[in-house]
Amino acid sequence: KAGVTQTPRYLIKTRGQQVTLSCSPISGHRSVSWYQQTPGQGLQFLFEYFSETQRNKGNFPGRFSGRQFSNSRSEMNVSTLELGDSALYLCASSLDRARDTQYFGPGTRLTVL
Amino acid sequence: AQRVTQPEKLLSVFKGAPVELKCNYSYSGSPELFWYVQYSRQRLQLLLRHISRESIKGFTADLNKGETSFHLKKPFAQEEDSAMYYCALYPGSNYQLIWGAGTKLIIKP
Repeated sequence: KAGVTQTPRYLIKTRGQQVTLSCSPISGHRSVSWYQQTPGQGLQFLFEYFSETQRNKGNFPGRFSGRQFSNSRSEMNVSTLELGDSALYLCASSLDRARDTQYFGPGTRLTVL
Repeated sequence: AQRVTQPEKLLSVFKGAPVELKCNYSYSGSPELFWYVQYSRQRLQLLLRHISRESIKGFTADLNKGETSFHLKKPFAQEEDSAMYYCALYPGSNYQLIWGAGTKLIIKP
């Protein structure tokens, strides 16, 4: 099986811009979760989608949003970028619930200048 | 409140020495606990889960409900064990995993 893929792998943006990141889960997986990973904060949960519905959301401002398509592919969007948004954004897919093995993508490294 | 605590941000041990990465949790129900690992330049991946009672790469973890702990242990560390280790809790009633802050393990030659 092909693993979780994320595009793009690297992004450089400036403050105030917006960005869209994409995640393609493992075939057959219906749950997609997004995380922000930074050296200081570790893994921070952003949101989780299942069958095109957001099931859970972490404690992030409304500038962070996402969606899931009928083929389970997911996108996340960050509007009005801030310097503090610089991080590695990880996507993980699983069959159904969070207790199922999470398969992580390689991440998208976002740098905000 | 549900919480996972990994008290050590960094743990450095010599090759061949025993390793114990600590994980404590706060949860009133019956937890499901996991250890995930991220090796350098590799993806974050599941190492083990407590319900499977497996030993993966020589690592074991026992759930101690009395002490609310799920420490990860290995009797003899190897250099390839150097990685970032995350402990995670599935509370069941919610859909997200609760993650610890992670422990960076460095095995010195």
